[in-house]
Amino acid sequence: KNQVEQSPQSLIILEGKNCTLQCNYTVSPFSNLRWYKQDTGRGPVSLTIMTFSENTKSNGRYTATLDADTKQSSLHITASQLSDSASYICVVSGSGGSYIPTFGRGTSLIVHP
Amino acid sequence: NAGVTQTPKFQVLKTGQSMTLQCAQDMNHNSMYWYRQDPGMGLRLIYYSASEGTTDKGEVPNGYNVSRLNKREFSLRLESAAPSQTSVYFCASGWSLVGSNTEAFFGQGTRLTVV
Repeated sequence: KNQVEQSPQSLIILEGKNCTLQCNYTVSPFSNLRWYKQDTGRGPVSLTIMTFSENTKSNGRYTATLDADTKQSSLHITASQLSDSASYICVVSGSGGSYIPTFGRGTSLIVHP
Repeated sequence: NAGVTQTPKFQVLKTGQSMTLQCAQDMNHNSMYWYRQDPGMGLRLIYYSASEGTTDKGEVPNGYNVSRLNKREFSLRLESAAPSQTSVYFCASGWSLVGSNTEAFFGQGTRLTVV
């Protein structure tokens, strides 16, 4: 069964600090991995997509990495802001018969002033 | 830009009542999805429609039915609501189920409580 595991489940950091969120997956064959940001009371919004050939991709203060060999991804947030407080969801899509995206349960990030 | 619009935003039902959640997108997307989100469970796929005229079961379809009325609209029906269906429901749309163009655009969600 395809699975996506995220860690930590929750994280509290001070404004201005950096943090890294982790995502491990078993989806195979692999097509792509997305990180979504979900603000409280809103629907998720895509931050970045990683395909098999990509190791690192940045979107402003967000940097995603992918190691397709170990089936791991990380999302690094630099110089955190209060507006980064949200749930971050890792979603992995397969190819062939397993193309329905598999969602992780998310990491809840709280940034304190 | 409206994007994905869900109605209603909030709903309280009594056990056994029926209702339909409406969803419409104005981005000309081919695929549409219904998810439910429960605390600690993440988003789970109920039904999806890869294209107009087709629908398929997702991970948790029991107790639900869907209709892809046209390319824009994808409704979710609860025929006999149960307390276990208390959840936040999200509709989403996207260009494709496969390949790299799989970004899903989500609506604001419907908070449903079944008492």
